[in-house]
Amino acid sequence: LAKTTQPISMDSYEGQEVNITCSHNNIATNDYITWYQQFPSQGPRFIIQGYKTKVTNEVASLFIPADRKSSTLSLPRVSLSDTAVYYCLVGVTNQGGKLIFGQGTELSVKP
Amino acid sequence: KAGVTQTPRYLIKTRGQQVTLSCSPISGHRSVSWYQQTPGQGLQFLFEYFSETQRNKGNFPGRFSGRQFSNSRSEMNVSTLELGDSALYLCASRPGETDSYEQYFGPGTRLTVT
Repeated sequence: LAKTTQPISMDSYEGQEVNITCSHNNIATNDYITWYQQFPSQGPRFIIQGYKTKVTNEVASLFIPADRKSSTLSLPRVSLSDTAVYYCLVGVTNQGGKLIFGQGTELSVKP
Repeated sequence: KAGVTQTPRYLIKTRGQQVTLSCSPISGHRSVSWYQQTPGQGLQFLFEYFSETQRNKGNFPGRFSGRQFSNSRSEMNVSTLELGDSALYLCASRPGETDSYEQYFGPGTRLTVT
């Protein structure tokens, strides 16, 4: 699996848009990019997955440039409840159940 | 649909004992994976079961084992517990027929070994 690098922590305020960037310089041609969210003492929650360009769902957007060496998770108008750790995963889908999580980004949303 | 459930939620055991944790996946999901999460090592993959067969395994000693039943429910067993086994144990389910990274995690079982 490709190695990922994310900021250790980020701070934001309620109502702001938050962008978390993940670097994955050695991403392979078949690799997908997936983001998970985790609250303390809970299991991670799938947020979004993409391969190239832009993907949007009801909670987030994922921006992937043409070279795919990085990706940006965008959370619109965050609230206090978005305070959590966010993980970027990069790897081929045929890894099956074997997810390898990096250290993640601890997002703190303040009032 | 009901989510992934895990029992028990909390457990305290003594070094040397064994423990069995249970996971009920989302209805229709045939794949169950187990993970260990600790502050020092983060989230680590233990193993995955699909249709009662282990098809993927992480780098954990043989003291960690699992099984899956015909209804897709899964159990994980840890024998001869060590202090370092104290962790949050998570299971995750997915349909399993494809290899999508979209998994659904349970709330976890917090195991404390004294």
